[in-house]
Amino acid sequence: DAGVIQSPRHEVTEMGQEVTLRCKLISGHNSLFWYRQTMMRGLELLIYFNNNVPIDDSGMPEDRFSAKMPNASFSTLKIQPSEPRDSAVYFCASSFRGGGGDTQYFGPGTRLTVL
Amino acid sequence: DQQVKQNSPSLSVQEGRISILNCDYTNSMFDYFLWYKKYPAEGPTFLISISSIKDKNEDGRFTVFLNKSAKHLSLHIVPSQPGDSAVYFCAGRGGTSYGKLTFGQGTILTVHP
Repeated sequence: DAGVIQSPRHEVTEMGQEVTLRCKLISGHNSLFWYRQTMMRGLELLIYFNNNVPIDDSGMPEDRFSAKMPNASFSTLKIQPSEPRDSAVYFCASSFRGGGGDTQYFGPGTRLTVL
Repeated sequence: DQQVKQNSPSLSVQEGRISILNCDYTNSMFDYFLWYKKYPAEGPTFLISISSIKDKNEDGRFTVFLNKSAKHLSLHIVPSQPGDSAVYFCAGRGGTSYGKLTFGQGTILTVHP
């Protein structure tokens, strides 16, 4: 089975440019989480969806960040305009919300560098 | 407000010995605790979990202990192997319907041959 798929794996862009990160969930999963990892803040949750509906976006740092789930298996995280302080590794994770520990399965991440 | 804390940024252990990774939390509403392992250039992978109504869960070389009164959990790896060298994150799951996890900062474990 394919795991969570993220693209691109690496992104280098200049300040002010729009950046779009993509994530494909594991088939059958109904929850989607976007995280950001930095040295200063560790692994922080940005936003999560359940059944395509955004449940909690309190971790989204600013209005420059937006996330969507156009369908049940795919999500995008957009940063417009990007800034150097957005440089980080961005992970998405999916899970099946059906009881138990709700194990989240992470993608390999996108390393974003904003110059 | 950091609800989950891993106060040791790094830990170095000799192969074959025990590794003990610690985690403290403040949110008494967490109903599950999970440990994830992360290798460089990869996403975190689930390792082991424990329900808040348990005090111990064991899976092979990995055991997680939960002390609710102290709001403390620990991960024991016995015996430690060089392949265990990675960053370990503990996380608490909030008592909501949607499985939100709050992660600690992570501890870098290095197991020397």
